[in-house]
Formats: sequence, C-alpha cells, structure tokens
Amino acid sequence: GAGVSQSPSNKVTEKGKDVELRCDPISGHTALYWYRQSLGQGLEFLIYFQGNSAPDKSGLPSDRFSAERTGGSVSTLTIQRTQQEDSAVYLCASSLHGGGRGVEQYFGPGTRLTVT
Amino acid sequence: DAKTTQPNSMESNEEEPVHLPCNHSTISGTDYIHWYRQLPSQGPEYVIHGLTSNVNNRMASLAIAEDRKSSTLILHRATLRDAAVYYCILMYNNNDMRFGAGTRLTVKP
Repeated sequence: GAGVSQSPSNKVTEKGKDVELRCDPISGHTALYWYRQSLGQGLEFLIYFQGNSAPDKSGLPSDRFSAERTGGSVSTLTIQRTQQEDSAVYLCASSLHGGGRGVEQYFGPGTRLTVT
Repeated sequence: DAKTTQPNSMESNEEEPVHLPCNHSTISGTDYIHWYRQLPSQGPEYVIHGLTSNVNNRMASLAIAEDRKSSTLILHRATLRDAAVYYCILMYNNNDMRFGAGTRLTVKP
C-alpha cells in the first residue's frame, strides 16, 4: 500500500520568504508527526496531531512555525519569514493510533529545505 | 527526561551477528524502548520495540536487561543493506520521540 508521502522533495527559498511543506499520511492513520533533521544531526520533534487537533506543539522552535491538519488527513507545515537556520530535512510520520507508548511510526522521505 | 546513550559508530562483517548497545539508566517504568534505523537519504524506518520482555521480529531481536537500564538490538546476520544509523529511543509522552545521535553501523563485505 501507499506509504507516507511528502511534497516537495526539495525546496530552495530566499531568506524572508514563507514556505509550505505538505504531508500525506497513510490512509486511516489518525496520528501525524513532524520532525526536522539538520545536516548530520538526529531528529528533532516539532509537533504531533491526533486527528485534526495538535495536543503537543512543544517542539515548534518559534512562532514563525505553524502546522495544521484538515480532514484528519493531509497536514501542512508553514514556516514564515524563513531564516538560514531553518535549512534542514523536514520529516513527516504517521501512526495508526496516537496516545500510546508502543506505537510504530511510519516516516515519509522528507522535504529538504534550503534557505539562501 | 529519560535519555539514551549509544556508541557513535560500530563496524561489522557481512553475514556476522551485530549487537548494538543502548544505555537508558533513567528509564521510567512505563517507557517503551524503540529502535529505528535511517539509511542514507531516507526517512527513519521502524525496527522493533519492547517494554520488559525480549522481542523478536523478522528484522531483528531486542534484548532488554532485567533492570531495563540497558538494551541491545541484535541483527542476526548483517548484510550490506543494514548499513545505517540506528537510533534507540524511549517513548514516554504521547508519541513524542526524542532521537539522539544514534550509532552509525558500517558493514564490511
């Protein structure tokens, strides 16, 4: 079956511009997560959705970052007024259920964002 | 916050077993131990998870110490496709996975 998909795969933008990154989770998965990975680093948790609501936004690094999820499916991560330190690979994952501690997450291929 | 400690890198020969260690001395009683791996230029891939008992699946085995302060991921026969960064992660709060630096596994032919 189809896995988690993300678009675009690569995005180059100028400092100060806004960008939108899209995630299509696996059909039927109620939980969705955003992470980012800077070059050579581990993953940094950004935000978690259960259905359309986001009970945990603790990882968003600043108020320039926001995310929404509509229809319990597609999610969009928006970065406003991008800065060079926002350059990273942004990864999306989904899981069948949320709220538990034994849940397997399925990751998409990521969007590589480069801010020039 | 519970944290994990893993060696930065390990090497293995092809078709030999690999034991990847992870220390998590501050683990709480309800933390699950998850292992993911990340191949070059790909998103992380789930490998295995457990709570107290040892676990086996088609990819690997997970051996958990009796006091749960450490665990070991076991790849029974390493292949070149197993070369990746392996992350040991504790899941403790609403699926908020905190990834560390992981162990970079190199498999030599």
